[in-house]
Amino acid sequence: DAKTTQPNSMESNEEEPVHLPCNHSTISGTDYIHWYRQLPSQGPEYVIHGLTSNVNNRMASLAIAEDRKSSTLILHRATLRDAAVYYCILRDEGNTPLVFGKGTRLSVIA
Amino acid sequence: DTEVTQTPKHLVMGMTNKKSLKCEQHMGHRAMYWYKQKAKKPPELMFVYSYEKLSINESVPSRFSPECPNSSLLNLHLHALQPEDSALYLCATKPEAGRDTQYFGPGTRLTVL
Repeated sequence: DAKTTQPNSMESNEEEPVHLPCNHSTISGTDYIHWYRQLPSQGPEYVIHGLTSNVNNRMASLAIAEDRKSSTLILHRATLRDAAVYYCILRDEGNTPLVFGKGTRLSVIA
Repeated sequence: DTEVTQTPKHLVMGMTNKKSLKCEQHMGHRAMYWYKQKAKKPPELMFVYSYEKLSINESVPSRFSPECPNSSLLNLHLHALQPEDSALYLCATKPEAGRDTQYFGPGTRLTVL
């Protein structure tokens, strides 16, 4: 599996935007970029995914570099409920299960 | 209904006990997964079931025995576990095809004494 690299931890103030980076320099042409997050004492939950173009949904935005070697998850206004571990995962078009890296632990300060 | 339920929420067992973890979904998903998550670590894949057949076993010790009795249920049978098997056990499901979202249950917190 192509690997991803994320900072171990990040901190944000409440109601400010948060940009969570992910490097994936060995990404292949068929790999989709998925983001999941895991809130304390819960199972992981889907956030967003994309292939080449930037993506928006009600939870977040995903900005993908033109060469696809990096991406950024953007939370537009962080809330205390967004404190979680955020995982950036590459998955190909096939029916492969999610393989988690270490993720970024996001702390949100009131 | 996009819910994956897992029972029990917490389980404490001795090393000689036999117990089972249960996962249930009613979304019609045909791929089901077991993950193990140690404290402060990411989830690690254990088993994958596709159309009720075991398709991936990530070299998991035989003291963990998965079972998929029907398309809605996934069990994990536990026998002769070790204290280092204490962890959060997560179930996940997905529609079979391609790159669809995986839905995770809340997990069972297992403690082996």
